[in-house]
Amino acid sequence: AQSVAQPEDQVNVAEGNPLTVKCTYSVSGNPYLFWYVQYPNRGLQFLLKYITGDNLVKGSYGFEAEFNKSQTSFHLKKPSALVSDSALYFCAVSDYFGSGTKLNVKP
Amino acid sequence: SAVISQKPSRDICQRGTSLTIQCQVDSQVTMMFWYRQQPGQSLTLIATANQGSEATYESGFVIDKFPISRPNLTFSTLTVSNMSPEDSSIYLCSVAKGAETYEQYFGPGTRLTVT
Repeated sequence: AQSVAQPEDQVNVAEGNPLTVKCTYSVSGNPYLFWYVQYPNRGLQFLLKYITGDNLVKGSYGFEAEFNKSQTSFHLKKPSALVSDSALYFCAVSDYFGSGTKLNVKP
Repeated sequence: SAVISQKPSRDICQRGTSLTIQCQVDSQVTMMFWYRQQPGQSLTLIATANQGSEATYESGFVIDKFPISRPNLTFSTLTVSNMSPEDSSIYLCSVAKGAETYEQYFGPGTRLTVT
């Protein structure tokens, strides 16, 4: 069985500060891990994925995620947050989605 | 990536009726998915629609309530049958680029309200 957890309903950061959105997973076998973003009144967009290879994955809009097998985590990160990053972020394992984390970036 | 369109974009329906949602992709894809999402909440996978075989439904979803067609590699439909207010939701179609990776691209969604 596969599952994914996003422990934070909401994350608040100031513009220019680094951000982290947390995700942990449970899967048998090799995990296919994804991050998606949903901007207000817009559709879901693919951000990045981890299938194999380097543990640090770079994606769209300056986001990156670090795969940690021992901690079964796949946290989303960005060195310097923008107000325009404010959105709903979903972690996914294959076709199963986490509960979502609302990111608020304040000017 | 893939360009995905859905029809209708929104609808208001009476309970007991049925609505068929169409999903069109601009390229051939192996896997198509149907999700349900309450606004601002997570996505719940309804079923996986594969061309040439019956859809695979997730726990809690049945074919009689959510029949799916997949006549070719660029098109699928989801019907919400005998609707009740609890079916009010956003229904999303997505496609996977590559049969193994589940990297998905989503349609704009169909906002359904059942009165």
